[in-house]
Amino acid sequence: GQQVMQIPQYQHVQEGEDFTTYCNSSTTLSNIQWYKQRPGGHPVFLIQLVKSGEVKKQKRLTFQFGEAKKNSSLHITATQTTDVGTYFCAGVNDYKLSFGAGTTVTVRA
Amino acid sequence: ETGVTQSPTHLIKTRGQQVTLRCSSQSGHNTVSWYQQALGQGPQFIFQYYREEENGRGNFPPRFSGLQFPNYSSELNVNALELDDSALYLCASRTEFGTDTQYFGPGTRLTVL
Repeated sequence: GQQVMQIPQYQHVQEGEDFTTYCNSSTTLSNIQWYKQRPGGHPVFLIQLVKSGEVKKQKRLTFQFGEAKKNSSLHITATQTTDVGTYFCAGVNDYKLSFGAGTTVTVRA
Repeated sequence: ETGVTQSPTHLIKTRGQQVTLRCSSQSGHNTVSWYQQALGQGPQFIFQYYREEENGRGNFPPRFSGLQFPNYSSELNVNALELDDSALYLCASRTEFGTDTQYFGPGTRLTVL
């Protein structure tokens, strides 16, 4: 079945620095979604990418979908303490979401 | 807040028991999916209900079953609980269109002793 891998598993970032988390699927995806889960919370939808090579921005967050629709990335610039949490990508095929294991982000002030 | 509610918030059961978890969808959403999230892992798809019928299932045994009601609320039932069933159980609702956003509820934390 479809497998979605995320790297790195943990990201320790100095406040103000940039970082990128990567997502790779074993199969071609119809689209990909990104979620953020704060400690003790539930996944909150951030964005959906549908088109090959698509790039979308939300303030300091930049999301990209690969040309082959098998990989994606999330880049955060000027990290803030509010960025703390686990970021999940989820591949969408047919009716279900296949989540990666997430990248857990901690921020040093 | 997403408008998706779940009950109870926390639950403790013992091995072999049965449990029922409940989910109320966001208004206007007729499709509900259930996910199991073990500690430190991403959510794993259990199944999806659309118009009261199961129309998709992940790699979970038959002791995981569900229901969807005419008002689109939903239940997840787990029989013969095992220790590994301890997890956060999330429901997510959306409209019937496959690429629409899913809205997750706050989850039910199940502990099996």
